[in-house]
Amino acid sequence: KQEVTQIPAALSVPEGENLVLNCSFTDSAIYNLQWFRQDPGKGLTSLLLIQSSQREQTSGRLNASLDKSSGRSTLYIAASQPGDSATYLCAVDSGTYKYIFGTGTRLKVLA
Amino acid sequence: NAGVTQTPKFQVLKTGQSMTLQCAQDMNHEYMSWYRQDPGMGLRLIHYSVGAGITDQGEVPNGYNVSRSTTEDFPLRLLSAAPSQTSVYFCASRRGTDTQYFGPGTRLTVL
Repeated sequence: KQEVTQIPAALSVPEGENLVLNCSFTDSAIYNLQWFRQDPGKGLTSLLLIQSSQREQTSGRLNASLDKSSGRSTLYIAASQPGDSATYLCAVDSGTYKYIFGTGTRLKVLA
Repeated sequence: NAGVTQTPKFQVLKTGQSMTLQCAQDMNHEYMSWYRQDPGMGLRLIHYSVGAGITDQGEVPNGYNVSRSTTEDFPLRLLSAAPSQTSVYFCASRRGTDTQYFGPGTRLTVL
C-alpha cells in the first residue's frame, strides 16, 4: 500500500531564504507526482506535476525533483516571500486512479 | 472555463439527514474524484469515476454514494449523515495523468 510522508510538518523561515520541502513515498512504481499549495480555508492549487519519466520540473521560483528509486521528491522554493506562506501538499499517482496525499508542510515566511 | 465548481460552500446537517454535494467541471475531463480533508489526516479519497457510468470506491467510501450520468457532473450523496462525516469535501478532475484540478470545497458540519 502506497504511503506518502512529508517532513517537516511545519516550517518557519525569514523572508528571502531558500528552502526545501520533502516528500517521500513507499512504492516507487508511480505514474506521476504532483505538488499543490493550499491557503487557509481554500482549495488546492496545482504547482508542479512531474511525470514518472521526468527528473524535475520548474515554474518561476519553484523547482521540484523526483527520484523514484529512492522514493523521494523535493520542492525547492527560491528567495521565499511572505506570500509563499501556505500549506504545501504532495500527491502520488500509482496508476490506479487513486492519488495518495501526504499530510502537508505548513510554511510560514516571516517579513 | 469555470474549472471545477462545487455547491454548496457551507452546510450544516443534523444526524440522520441526507444531502447531495454537487460537483461539475467544464474541461471535458474523464476522471473525477471526491476527497475529504480532516485535520492531521490529509486528503482521503472517497469515490472516483473514470468516465460516465463508471464509478469505484476509494479509501473511505462508507456512508457515501456517487453516480456519473454525464461527463460534467459527479454528485456525492450522504445517505444518513453522522458527526464523523463533519469535514471539508473537495471534488477534483483531470485528463489521463495530467494535472489534477480541485474545486473550492464544501465545509460540512453534522450536529
